[in-house]
Amino acid sequence: KAGVTQTPRYLIKTRGQQVTLSCSPISGHRSVSWYQQTPGQGLQFLFEYFSETQRNKGNFPGRFSGRQFSNSRSEMNVSTLELGDSALYLCASSLDPSSTAFFGQGTRLTVV
Amino acid sequence: DQQVKQNSPSLSVQEGRISILNCDYTNSMFDYFLWYKKYPAEGPTFLISISSIKDKNEDGRFTVFLNKSAKHLSLHIVPSQPGDSAVYFCAARALTQKLVFGQGTRLTINP
Repeated sequence: KAGVTQTPRYLIKTRGQQVTLSCSPISGHRSVSWYQQTPGQGLQFLFEYFSETQRNKGNFPGRFSGRQFSNSRSEMNVSTLELGDSALYLCASSLDPSSTAFFGQGTRLTVV
Repeated sequence: DQQVKQNSPSLSVQEGRISILNCDYTNSMFDYFLWYKKYPAEGPTFLISISSIKDKNEDGRFTVFLNKSAKHLSLHIVPSQPGDSAVYFCAARALTQKLVFGQGTRLTINP
């Protein structure tokens, strides 16, 4: 069974641009969560989707948005990129919100 | 408001000995706890979990202990191996709410 797939793995963007990251969950998993990891900040929760509905949202500005499609694949978008958005963005999927979450490899975003 | 805390940023253990990683939490509503292991530039890998109705769960070399009265959990790795060198995150969840992670502990296993 394939794991959680995140694309792209690496990305370099310029300040002010926008970016879209993609996450394909494990087959059968309907819950997808996104996290941001920066040095010294641990894993900061961005948002969680289940059956195309956003269930939870973290304390991030409105520049960060996401969505989930009917096939459970999810995308997150960051607009007007800032240098501080440089981070490893992680996606996790689970069967449902009460099940164990499994992570993808992450997308390393560098904003220059 | 850090609801899950890993107070030791790093830990160094000799190969073959026991590694004990600790985690404290403040939210009494947390009912499910997990440990993840993370290598640099990779996503966290699920290791072991425990429900609040239990106080111990074992899986091979990994054992998680939960002390609800102290709001404390720990991960024991016995025996420690070089491949265990990584950052370990504990995480907790209340009902079906979001996972809350600690800051992580970097474990180094010395030969």
